[in-house]
Amino acid sequence: NAGVMQNPRHLVRRRGQEARLRCSPMKGHSHVYWYRQLPEEGLKFMVYLQKENIIDESGMPKERFSAEFPKEGPSILRIQQVVRGDSAAYFCASSRSGTDGGEQYFGPGTRLTVT
Amino acid sequence: GENVEQHPSTLSVQEGDSAVIKCTYSDSASNYFPWYKQELGKRPQLIIDIRSNVGEKKDQRIAVTLNKTAKHFSLHITETQPEDSAVYFCAASWRNNDMRFGAGTRLTVKP
Repeated sequence: NAGVMQNPRHLVRRRGQEARLRCSPMKGHSHVYWYRQLPEEGLKFMVYLQKENIIDESGMPKERFSAEFPKEGPSILRIQQVVRGDSAAYFCASSRSGTDGGEQYFGPGTRLTVT
Repeated sequence: GENVEQHPSTLSVQEGDSAVIKCTYSDSASNYFPWYKQELGKRPQLIIDIRSNVGEKKDQRIAVTLNKTAKHFSLHITETQPEDSAVYFCAASWRNNDMRFGAGTRLTVKP
């Protein structure tokens, strides 16, 4: 059973370009979460999605950032017109459905560098 | 929304000593409390968790305690080893699997 997959693992973008980060959850998982981690800092919640639905986007900046989890295919975190401050590690996690609070399993992360 | 606070931010112990990390949460509806270990450059890995109907859980050298009344939970590592050195994150989860993390504790175990 493959774990959470993220690609690319490293992404370099110039200021003003777009960054697209992909996340494929573990098999059988229908919940996806995105977190941002700056160097030497914690995991900052960005967005929580289920298939075709955004459940909680309270941690995501209102401008330039968007996320989706389509019926088919991976979840995508999109950052438009990137700035240097967007440089960070972006982790995706997935969990099973349910309402009890469940384990989240993390992908290897995408390290975004904006030059 | 939920707010999780974690202390201390850094912790240094001698090999063989115990380490304790404490977290508090704000939302009384939170019902699931995992702990993650993150080594440098790697992904966070779940090491132990506890649910709100349990007060304590132990797995070899690692234990977690939960006080729902006081809204705090703690991670205890006994007989620490150098390979325990990492950043540890607590988290609290409530309604429909939403989760928030503490700011992390950098644990250093000195040989």
